[in-house]
Amino acid sequence: EDQVTQSPEALRLQEGESSSLNCSYTVSGLRGLFWYRQDPGKGPEFLFTLYSAGEEKEKERLKATLTKKESFLHITAPKPEDSATYLCAPNSNSGYALNFGKGTSLLVTP
Amino acid sequence: DTAVSQTPKYLVTQMGNDKSIKCEQNLGHDTMYWYKQDSKKFLKIMFSYNNKELIINETVPNRFSPKSPDKAHLNLHINSLELGDSAVYFCASSQEWRGRGPTDTQYFGPGTRLTVL
Repeated sequence: EDQVTQSPEALRLQEGESSSLNCSYTVSGLRGLFWYRQDPGKGPEFLFTLYSAGEEKEKERLKATLTKKESFLHITAPKPEDSATYLCAPNSNSGYALNFGKGTSLLVTP
Repeated sequence: DTAVSQTPKYLVTQMGNDKSIKCEQNLGHDTMYWYKQDSKKFLKIMFSYNNKELIINETVPNRFSPKSPDKAHLNLHINSLELGDSAVYFCASSQEWRGRGPTDTQYFGPGTRLTVL
């Protein structure tokens, strides 16, 4: 059975304090691993898709990386507007839809 | 332009009532989805439609019935509402069903918060 675990559940950072969020997954054949950002009261907003181990993608202060068992979302010098819940979702060959983790709730304080 | 829209945004109703949530996408996508996000913020797939045909039906009570009048619309009808149905329901769409590369990317609507009293 496909599984996905995100850690930590919650993370509080000071503005400018870099850190990483983890997404550990077990799937039978990875078709792609998706990262989304969700603000309170809104729908998930697409950030990245990674398709193979070793792949990296960047967007502003965010960089996503992928290995065969994990994905990391690195946040460099975060700002308060980066505060949100970050969701990862591996998409497997045997699955029919995105299998979301429970997310990491990030709070960045000034 | 709103890519994926849902109505209503909030829905408060009594137990036992029947209600519908509407979803429309203007992205020209072939596949649409319904997800449920519970009080613990866990987002779980309920249904998926590809070209107006049901392709996923997870373990969801048959009180929930999706209807797709055309590729751009996927509505969710819920009969005999129960307290446990209270949640936020998200509609999403992707270009293809099990496509390759970017066509797999799902785009989400703003959600409908359903409260059953």
